[in-house]
Amino acid sequence: NAGVTQTPKFRVLKTGQSMTLLCAQDMNHEYMYWYRQDPGMGLRLIHYSVGEGTTAKGEVPDGYNVSRLKKQNFLLGLESAAPSQTSVYFCASTQSPDALNTGELFFGEGSRLTVL
Amino acid sequence: RKEVEQDPGPFNVPEGATVAFNCTYSNSASQSFFWYRQDCRKEPKLLMSVYSSGNEDGRFTAQLNRASQYISLLIRDSKLSDSATYLCVVTGSNDYKLSFGAGTTVTVRA
Repeated sequence: NAGVTQTPKFRVLKTGQSMTLLCAQDMNHEYMYWYRQDPGMGLRLIHYSVGEGTTAKGEVPDGYNVSRLKKQNFLLGLESAAPSQTSVYFCASTQSPDALNTGELFFGEGSRLTVL
Repeated sequence: RKEVEQDPGPFNVPEGATVAFNCTYSNSASQSFFWYRQDCRKEPKLLMSVYSSGNEDGRFTAQLNRASQYISLLIRDSKLSDSATYLCVVTGSNDYKLSFGAGTTVTVRA
């Protein structure tokens, strides 16, 4: 039972470098999300997708881009990393708004990114 | 104003004690409410849903007060394994997302 898998789990970048975080889910879920979690801030939504080929901005989208070319994958890109993007990134997925309303939001294990 | 606000704690309690904490939410249209648990450096996991009539799951009791827009979590007979951060979560401004509080940290000591 893989569920939601994030890669890589750890990464150190220099300011200005680019990278992509991959989220893969094997539950055939429609909705996928990227959150960041910082101390004292809770989880903040970066971008989300309600289906293959769709993306939408969340609360803190600046500096990030996303793509959902395949239903099972949701990619988060940092084009030019900044120290303010040092954070723990969580991907999550759910099947539908009905599932979300029962709390069925499944998270990956997180990706810890440090930007120097 | 944040959509969901929580007392960050930490609540430091001995084994066997009862601990309770609240969170408030700003969107009066929110329909669904949850408590998630997050262990150190791990992903959040659903602890329990919160219903209008209040509900229990073993040693955990959750209550919702729509008029005052807050939900609560009470943990009875605390165990060492209850040490975690508890996230208050509500449905957001659309059907597609949840809003998370910053979490309340509970530490149960022997």
